[in-house]
Amino acid sequence: QSVLTQPPSVSASPGQKVTISCSGSSSTVGNNHVSWYQQFPGTAPKLLIFDNYKRPSGIPDRFSGSKSGTTATLGITGLQTADEADYYCETWDSSLSAGLVFGGGTKLTVL
Amino acid sequence: VQLQESGPGLVKPSETLSLTCTVSGGPMTSYFWSWVRQSPGKGLEWIGYIEDSGSTNYNPSLKSRVTISIDRSRTQFSLNMGSVTAADTAVYFCARVRDGYFLDHWGQGTLVTVSS
Repeated sequence: QSVLTQPPSVSASPGQKVTISCSGSSSTVGNNHVSWYQQFPGTAPKLLIFDNYKRPSGIPDRFSGSKSGTTATLGITGLQTADEADYYCETWDSSLSAGLVFGGGTKLTVL
Repeated sequence: VQLQESGPGLVKPSETLSLTCTVSGGPMTSYFWSWVRQSPGKGLEWIGYIEDSGSTNYNPSLKSRVTISIDRSRTQFSLNMGSVTAADTAVYFCARVRDGYFLDHWGQGTLVTVSS
């Protein structure tokens, strides 16, 4: 069971918007920056969002991030079939077991 | 920056898994360097990281079996995981850590199977 809770799957149609939540606690999401990764089958994860909402160069502005309290959210607008992938949130856990923690991942299906 | 994992793809139970990550195209200083694994069909699991000072931080669930080391002269860092079992079968990724927490560059990953 992951420290960060994500929905196992979400789905939407091309052109629509989807959001993926990442729920944690005060020792994780609540007091630390969150990053998001996109992973296609058989490939390495790719950084999409860091510091809750910042995008690395080359990441389109269709991808956005936000955080409120102990929940972070990844938003994807103008969905494309190429966005179908697994998405993971990640942050620092500042509890006694300090270290990096990932969410369980969310499978995005673009119908 | 590019990262490339290397090491045996098959390890026997109870033995030690050893992997190396070679970093090219950028400096190793001022960054942390991490290992992450992904069991078949499962999510990502952070294993640990090493700072350029040599200090380390490990996942508490793996800490007793894991050692990460760095060789700056060869621009490499390594993972050793002892007493492996079938549960350690996974794709192992190396990655660069920025600002102490997010992973901005990843290796392609290498599958390690634990089996006799």
